[in-house]
Amino acid sequence: SQTIHQWPATLVQPVGSPLSLECTVEGTSNPNLYWYRQAAGRGLQLLFYSVGIGQISSEVPQNLSASRPQDRQFILSSKKLLLSDSGFYLCAWGGGGLGGYTFGSGTRLTVV
Amino acid sequence: DQQVKQNSPSLSVQEGRISILNCDYTNSMFDYFLWYKKYPAEGPTFLISISSIKDKNEDGRFTVFLNKSAKHLSLHIVPSQPGDSAVYFCAASAPEIIFGKGTRLHILP
Repeated sequence: SQTIHQWPATLVQPVGSPLSLECTVEGTSNPNLYWYRQAAGRGLQLLFYSVGIGQISSEVPQNLSASRPQDRQFILSSKKLLLSDSGFYLCAWGGGGLGGYTFGSGTRLTVV
Repeated sequence: DQQVKQNSPSLSVQEGRISILNCDYTNSMFDYFLWYKKYPAEGPTFLISISSIKDKNEDGRFTVFLNKSAKHLSLHIVPSQPGDSAVYFCAASAPEIIFGKGTRLHILP
């Protein structure tokens, strides 16, 4: 069966520090992968999606970047965190449609 | 501009009664609509979906209704149970999934 792993679960980082969040998927090949963020008072905002290795699409301009070095690995990064980067980050995979996406357990990022 | 809108940030319903969560959308080209349930500090879990060519889909206690002319969909939960207390997100496939801001459902004992 397919599973999605996301870590760490919580992270507190100072402003200006770098960020790396990792997501891996098991039990499927060539999945579509997604990074979402849930900020306070907001819904789930799509940040990046990837349909294959090295293929990244960005939905909103921001202080973050994403990479897909391997088929089932998706990484969210920042060189210098801002206070506004705080939020709950979720990785997801899936083909959409009636089945939707499967989400990881999320990372709570607090930038201080 | 929000394409998927959930105008009620919260809703309280007595246990055993019907919970009705509403959602409006602006893009008539959406192919699918979905509902997700989310507990605190967890990822959302898929609940139920409906194709844009249907007007109703039912799965156990959960029923989703789609009114294309009004660009409105709703999720009915009956009977409501304590474990249903969570945040519910309405979403639409474009084809990437776009989410509303969510509605927090409280089931009262």
